[in-house]
Amino acid sequence: DTGVSQNPRHKITKRGQNVTFRCDPISEHNRLYWYRQTLGQGPEFLTYFQNEAQLEKSRLLSDRFSAERPKGSFSTLEIQRTEQGDSAMYLCASSPGQFSPQHFGDGTRLSIL
Amino acid sequence: SQQGEEDPQALSIQEGENATMNCSYKTSINNLQWYRQNSGRGLVHLILIRSNEREKHSGRLRVTLDTSKKSSSLLITASRAADTASYFCATDYGGSQGNLIFGKGTKLSVKP
Repeated sequence: DTGVSQNPRHKITKRGQNVTFRCDPISEHNRLYWYRQTLGQGPEFLTYFQNEAQLEKSRLLSDRFSAERPKGSFSTLEIQRTEQGDSAMYLCASSPGQFSPQHFGDGTRLSIL
Repeated sequence: SQQGEEDPQALSIQEGENATMNCSYKTSINNLQWYRQNSGRGLVHLILIRSNEREKHSGRLRVTLDTSKKSSSLLITASRAADTASYFCATDYGGSQGNLIFGKGTKLSVKP
């Protein structure tokens, strides 16, 4: 059973650069979620997909953030013109149904210099 | 904004003791879930309790839900050092599409 896979695990970049993260969900799961977690806090919802359709976006997702899920398989989250406040762990999760338990990857830790 | 609030924020116990963590939330829910997170790792789903359920068991875990008080508790019995982790409650809300709202978590430390 391959779980949710996220790459890279760590990303260090300079302020102002663009970064892209990838998430490979469990293959039979049609729902995919992105969350952001800062130190000492719980994850905060960013956006979610059902198959290839992006159905909900949080107000946290500024216009510098964009997410895609082409063909309803893997997903990418891109942050343009990174800022110090973007430093966080970005978590991806997938689930087979609307109120099913979510399976999380180990996240991508982003550090902005 | 955060829906759930866990209490206590940190808990330190000896191996073999029971650990109880509480969670309060603000709006109506479809279900409530508990997750565990080891340091630097993703979250692992522990248990899901639906809004029409009052208690649920899974191995050494027992979860209760009181929708009238908008609160839940997670009991871990006979704790082990391997239970050391942060524990989060997560809720959807009545009109959500399934995305979860997490609390800040309880950091549990189990000393051998």
